[in-house]
Amino acid sequence: DADVTQTPRNRITKTGKRIMLECSQTKGHDRMYWYRQDPGLGLRLIYYSFDVKDINKGEISDGYSVSRQAQAKFSLSLESAIPNQTALYFCATSESGGKSSYEQYFGPGTRLTVT
Amino acid sequence: QQQVKQSPQSLIVQKGGISIINCAYENTAFDYFPWYQQFPGKGPALLIAIRPDVSEKKEGRFTISFNKSAKQFSLHIMDSQPGDSATYFCAASGYGGATNKLIFGTGTLLAVQP
Repeated sequence: DADVTQTPRNRITKTGKRIMLECSQTKGHDRMYWYRQDPGLGLRLIYYSFDVKDINKGEISDGYSVSRQAQAKFSLSLESAIPNQTALYFCATSESGGKSSYEQYFGPGTRLTVT
Repeated sequence: QQQVKQSPQSLIVQKGGISIINCAYENTAFDYFPWYQQFPGKGPALLIAIRPDVSEKKEGRFTISFNKSAKQFSLHIMDSQPGDSATYFCAASGYGGATNKLIFGTGTLLAVQP
């Protein structure tokens, strides 16, 4: 887990506020992902990036944006937070090719509460 | 649309028993089926994975059984221990690895009672 770090670990914010969640990795992986976890819904992909210049929408990208500042950094922003964005957010990384590229390494998560 | 269906939602097993979690998928293009284990306060971590060219894969007490024709796969935990208590997610990925996007099941909360 220490190879993928997320900040903050917990955050409470108010409706309408802008918030950024940050992810850093020391694994040297090109691919990075943002997921949200909700009880009974599992993990759902928000955005993913295969390199600094390649960013793609996932299953549930509405209301979110991302920035890939460097190979090691991938940030998730909520431009105007709403209560149904209250969830546990995970960043993950993977290698860029071959069989090893299937395995994703997850950070410890950020628990976000929007009031 | 849930492409990977997981059951049961929760499971209680006695120490030493067998825990079985099932998943079913829809997309026949999937070619990689991992199981992730998540402890409270931690991110998911890869536990074991299988590809559709084999019907079973075993690593220690953990076994994946895969039925390609039925589009189902399951995780068996033999001799379950209290330390196995966690949430387990099945997942599927495919398209030749071009995207490596994982589609997760909804999770199973396993409690192993001592």
